[in-house]
Amino acid sequence: NAGVTQTPKFRILKIGQSMTLQCTQDMNHNYMYWYRQDPGMGLKLIYYSVGAGITDKGEVPNGYNVSRSTTEDFPLRLELAAPSQTSVYFCASSYSIGNTGELFFGEGSRLTVL
Amino acid sequence: AQKITQTQPGMFVQEKEAVTLDCTYDTSDQSYGLFWYKQPSSGEMIFLIYQGSYDEQNATEGRYSLNFQKARKSANLVISASQLGDSAMYFCAMNDEGYQKVTFGIGTKLQVIP
Repeated sequence: NAGVTQTPKFRILKIGQSMTLQCTQDMNHNYMYWYRQDPGMGLKLIYYSVGAGITDKGEVPNGYNVSRSTTEDFPLRLELAAPSQTSVYFCASSYSIGNTGELFFGEGSRLTVL
Repeated sequence: AQKITQTQPGMFVQEKEAVTLDCTYDTSDQSYGLFWYKQPSSGEMIFLIYQGSYDEQNATEGRYSLNFQKARKSANLVISASQLGDSAMYFCAMNDEGYQKVTFGIGTKLQVIP
């Protein structure tokens, strides 16, 4: 049982390049999330999804796009990378039933934009 | 306005003593949940405890308890009998808007002193 798997774990991008962070979970969770964590800071919600075909913006969606074509996968797309997007990105998932709420996190993807 | 406020950037506690980490929240929803997560220096996110807005008793998990004061909108984490391994960042979080959206505070860095 792999849980939440993120790839890649590390990536260096040049300004203006694009890339996709992959996230997949094998727990049949409906809810999935993308967060970014800047050094010494908390997690900021980028996008979230409550099921296949449904996505919504979080606190800091600018510069990112997501899709959710299957329950398992929730990729995060960075278009035209900027230095401000240097961060650690976490994908997470949870059951859809309220009041039980534990988030299961991936190990994180460290992205540097130079 | 911040949904989750953690006003203690850093805290020190003597080993074996108890410590309280503060968290206040802001939501207009009646149904919501509050979490605490631990992030050691290795970077992974570890779920500690969960409190639902309708739960009448404070949540407890081993040495962790959540002091939930609904009228004050506070959800403080109490760690009893601190251990050196408790040194980490601690994040308070809330799920609201139909339990779908999970937002985090900026965290408190706890250091346990031998």
